Amino acid sequence: DIVMTQTPLSSPVTLGQPASISCRSSQSLEHSDGNTYLSWLQQRPGQPPRLLIYKVSNRFSGVPDRFSGSGAGTYFTLKISRVEAEDVGVYYCMQTTQFSHTFGQGTKLEIK
Amino acid sequence: QVQLVESGGGVVQPGRSLRLSCAASGFTFSSHGMHWVRQAPGKGLEWVAVIWYDGSNKYYADSVKGRFTISRDNPKNTLYLQMNSLRVEDTAVYYCARWGDDKRLDSWGQGTLVTVSS
Repeated sequence: DIVMTQTPLSSPVTLGQPASISCRSSQSLEHSDGNTYLSWLQQRPGQPPRLLIYKVSNRFSGVPDRFSGSGAGTYFTLKISRVEAEDVGVYYCMQTTQFSHTFGQGTKLEIK
Repeated sequence: QVQLVESGGGVVQPGRSLRLSCAASGFTFSSHGMHWVRQAPGKGLEWVAVIWYDGSNKYYADSVKGRFTISRDNPKNTLYLQMNSLRVEDTAVYYCARWGDDKRLDSWGQGTLVTVSS
């Protein structure tokens, strides 16, 4: 199985400041069809996961444009340009290139 | 709008069975693959299983292979997870999720809690 490793595991951020989370995969996530199926999900406290970003850099419907994704191959990044209070929660990267699909360990975003 | 509602969770003894259901509405269920994902208390997300839109293909995580079976009833807009030989480590909230375009899991239910304990 592809192992997904996120850093940091915890990220205290000041409101209005940027935040960045990294995700590294144990092998390339480029599919044979040429696409890279790396998603980012947000899980607010007590809530189910919510899709933010798919295929590395595509924002899902309704996701604020302060969220952006980038990367290729085995290294990916989620950036929040200006953190708001509602962004508190745990963020997961997930690969859907290969079965079994796998998640990163999660990064807890909290306000300083 | 897309709605996924899981049910069937509860407390069960090790070695026993349980069947989870996921009722779908707000979209054409028969056109989408579906996933089960679980989350142990205080832990991260673990992918469990997927089923193709027509039930023709299924994949499982190694941790549940041979014990869990994913299935669907398209006329009833319902996804199932039959869980046999349950273990304490299967204790988790189980989410169903829609498999959307570009292999994304784009809609999630609220989850149902399964507790395996003697």
